[in-house]
Amino acid sequence: DSGVTQTPKHLITATGQRVTLRCSPRSGDLSVYWYQQSLDQGLQFLIHYYNGEERAKGNILERFSAQQFPDLHSELNLSSLELGDSALYFCASSVLSGVYNEQFFGPGTRLTVL
Amino acid sequence: QQQVKQSPQSLIVQKGGISIINCAYENTAFDYFPWYQQFPGKGPALLIAIRPDVSEKKEGRFTISFNKSAKQFSLHIMDSQPGDSATYFCAASTSGGSNYKLTFGKGTLLTVNP
Repeated sequence: DSGVTQTPKHLITATGQRVTLRCSPRSGDLSVYWYQQSLDQGLQFLIHYYNGEERAKGNILERFSAQQFPDLHSELNLSSLELGDSALYFCASSVLSGVYNEQFFGPGTRLTVL
Repeated sequence: QQQVKQSPQSLIVQKGGISIINCAYENTAFDYFPWYQQFPGKGPALLIAIRPDVSEKKEGRFTISFNKSAKQFSLHIMDSQPGDSATYFCAASTSGGSNYKLTFGKGTLLTVNP
């Protein structure tokens, strides 16, 4: 158990809908990263938040957004969902001490868009 | 552009044998190289990591070999066990700037036969 929690575990929805994925980082970790895992693209970085502020964006679609709250949990919002958005979504957290960037992954949310 | 190339895609090893997975990177700014292990239905778990100031790091049966000039690193699993059967991902990141995202290889599915 990495100490990172994600809810829900599974999500089934229809095209055009909006969903919210939630992540709670390990105790003491200020950084939260979101990654998407699909069969064709592998593990792809989406976005990084540090202590409530957006630090970096990767290949994140404009239909996707995220935020990190004062209690450090994070939410990834996916809107106008398309079939191709079906994937596993992982969040990871790290202390971000500067020397080592040890990222610990949660169990993921499996999103199925029908 | 695939910045981290991983091979082989799949690997079958007999119990007690040595499993070797290779990765090559392009971005010379990378200075942190972790390996992750992922079981079906689980999130990636940090296995072992190395920085380029050392050529080898060993933790139990797992060893990372690093060749900075060739921009290559590899994971060796000694005395491979059926419980090691999983997908292994190499990754790379930088410790400078503001983006600590992990760039992943495509993964290697390891099967250890009893």
